[in-house]
Amino acid sequence: EAGVTQSPTHLIKTRGQQATLRCSPISGHTSVYWYQQALGLGLQFLLWYDEGEERNRGNFPPRFSGRQFPNYSSELNVNALELEDSALYLCASSLVGGIGNQPQHFGDGTRLSIL
Amino acid sequence: QKEVEQDPGPLSVPEGAIVSLNCTYSNSAFQYFMWYRQYSRKGPELLMYTYSSGNKEDGRFTAQVDKSSKYISLFIRDSQPSDSATYLCAMRFPGSGTYKYIFGTGTRLKVLA
Repeated sequence: EAGVTQSPTHLIKTRGQQATLRCSPISGHTSVYWYQQALGLGLQFLLWYDEGEERNRGNFPPRFSGRQFPNYSSELNVNALELEDSALYLCASSLVGGIGNQPQHFGDGTRLSIL
Repeated sequence: QKEVEQDPGPLSVPEGAIVSLNCTYSNSAFQYFMWYRQYSRKGPELLMYTYSSGNKEDGRFTAQVDKSSKYISLFIRDSQPSDSATYLCAMRFPGSGTYKYIFGTGTRLKVLA
């Protein structure tokens, strides 16, 4: 079974630019979650998508946005990039979001570096 | 106060030692508890997933939950250099329609050959 896949592996941008990160969940998983993992700060929840809808978002500004496609893959967009956006962005998927006892499975992340 | 507290380490042990990793939490509503292992430059890998208080064993790993003390532990027996990684605890609320997974900041473990 293929795991969660993310692309690109690395992304280098400059301040003010826009970044798009992509995620394909495990086959059969309908929920996708995005996290930011900055150095020394642990995983910070960004967004949760389930069945194509945004279900919840963390304490991040509106320039962090995303969407989920009919095939359950997802995209995270970050506009007006700032230096502090440099981090590892992790995508996770689960069978059904927020219901029952389904744990999340993670991809290996996209490392976003802002110059 | 953080909802989940985890000692960042690093924790260094000799090969073969028993390792104990711990997290404390403040919200008694948490009902599901997870341990993830994260190698450098990789995403977190789910190791253990528990619901109730008590112990759950899987090979060399044992997860322990004490809801009365709001304390969870991961024990690694016969530790190997390949166990060197960062270990993240995570927990979530029950119920539908509401997301809340909270992660600890992780404990760095080094197992010395």
